[in-house]
Amino acid sequence: DQQVKQNSPSLSVQEGRISILNCDYTNSMFDYFLWYKKYPAEGPTFLISISSIKDKNEDGRFTVFLNKSAKHLSLHIVPSQPGDSAVYFCAAYGKAAGNKLTFGGGTRVLVKP
Amino acid sequence: NAGVTQTPKFQVLKTGQSMTLQCAQDMNHEYMSWYRQDPGMGLRLIHYSVGAGITDQGEVPNGYNVSRSTTEDFPLRLLSAAPSQTSVYFCASSYSRANTEAFFGQGTRLTVV
Repeated sequence: DQQVKQNSPSLSVQEGRISILNCDYTNSMFDYFLWYKKYPAEGPTFLISISSIKDKNEDGRFTVFLNKSAKHLSLHIVPSQPGDSAVYFCAAYGKAAGNKLTFGGGTRVLVKP
Repeated sequence: NAGVTQTPKFQVLKTGQSMTLQCAQDMNHEYMSWYRQDPGMGLRLIHYSVGAGITDQGEVPNGYNVSRSTTEDFPLRLLSAAPSQTSVYFCASSYSRANTEAFFGQGTRLTVV
């Protein structure tokens, strides 16, 4: 049973517009959430994170929102650029949830010029 | 600065063969882990290590062994390869105890025929 789910396997967006990626989790013991970005033939790279004591974290064009009551987080990319085309993984962690990262299945984003 | 180095990048095995995937990091990270990536399933944790001499099982450990004799190296051994082990394997290392914000290697694409 997947504890972290990314229900949209793919997303296509026009350059300059907003990309919104969603992630849902089931384990209430998760208290730290991360997004990783992965290009083909490369390993994932860390993008942005958020602690459960916050509901928003911003880093340049990337903002992560956390709704703990809904067990939902989202990643907003504004404005989207062609170089953002990649697979994005949501991940969750909690010391009481096994002390390891649990990843979602990924969302492939295509930004069209 | 090499970061996390995985070898080989590609490998084809016959069912029943054994092999070792190598992983080395030069960042003096205590925490290292192995993941496998399968379509639609994200990254699943195989084994991890919180320091030299200490290893533990992740989500999908069956068919794999690990050891951690030094801080730098964390090899993954396939004991008797099976077609179900066809996957892309990633090694990761991190500063933090939580294995969050990890640095990933470029991956090993393994095919078992």
